[in-house]
Amino acid sequence: AQKVTQAQTEISVVEKEDVTLDCVYETRDTTYYLFWYKQPPSGELVFLIRRNSFDEQNEISGRYSWNFQKSTSSFNFTITASQVVDSAVYFCALSERGIQGAQKLVFGQGTRLTINP
Amino acid sequence: GAVVSQHPSWVICKSGTSVKIECRSLDFQATTMFWYRQFPKQSLMLMATSNEGSKATYEQGVEKDKFLINHASLTLSTLTVTSAHPEDSSFYICSARDLGAEPAGWKQLWSYNEQFFGPGTRLTVL
Repeated sequence: AQKVTQAQTEISVVEKEDVTLDCVYETRDTTYYLFWYKQPPSGELVFLIRRNSFDEQNEISGRYSWNFQKSTSSFNFTITASQVVDSAVYFCALSERGIQGAQKLVFGQGTRLTINP
Repeated sequence: GAVVSQHPSWVICKSGTSVKIECRSLDFQATTMFWYRQFPKQSLMLMATSNEGSKATYEQGVEKDKFLINHASLTLSTLTVTSAHPEDSSFYICSARDLGAEPAGWKQLWSYNEQFFGPGTRLTVL
């Protein structure tokens, strides 16, 4: 069965520090997708990135970067020069390929990130 | 594009009453919609998968008679919490998959059909 583990329940850093959120996943499928979502206090999920299992290239988007390592089944997320607005709960999620299109998302437990001024 | 709305955004009801939550895809058609539940400070848990014109598929442990799902059109799915109790108080989030993005043929084996999330509905049962 699919499983996503975010071992860090809460992280608190001072503004401008770099912070890495860990994500480890389990799946038996060879084709799958990994995601990161941000959930601010309003509750609405904000999509950050999707990565498929065949693409291990790391990605950078502004202050955000993602490190996908199939060998360790990890998909870690780093925020560089953190800002107060980055404070939110961040979820890592996994979706397996479904021919009929089920493609259900399994979410990790979430990491509550607090950036202090 | 790809906007999903939920109504209401929050609702307070008395124990024993039923509450209906709507999920609409505003600018695309969705054959499949998903309903998630999120308890305070916890993760999102999939409750059911709703397919237009057919019965919903419920996840293990979710009572289908308590959480009624209807997906009558390609743009609307509803979740009705029947005989609500305080333990049903939660944040309910729906997502919809774009029919127009459905890949064909061999591409279906590789492509992901994007899910777009609604803003959520906060249910409080007194």
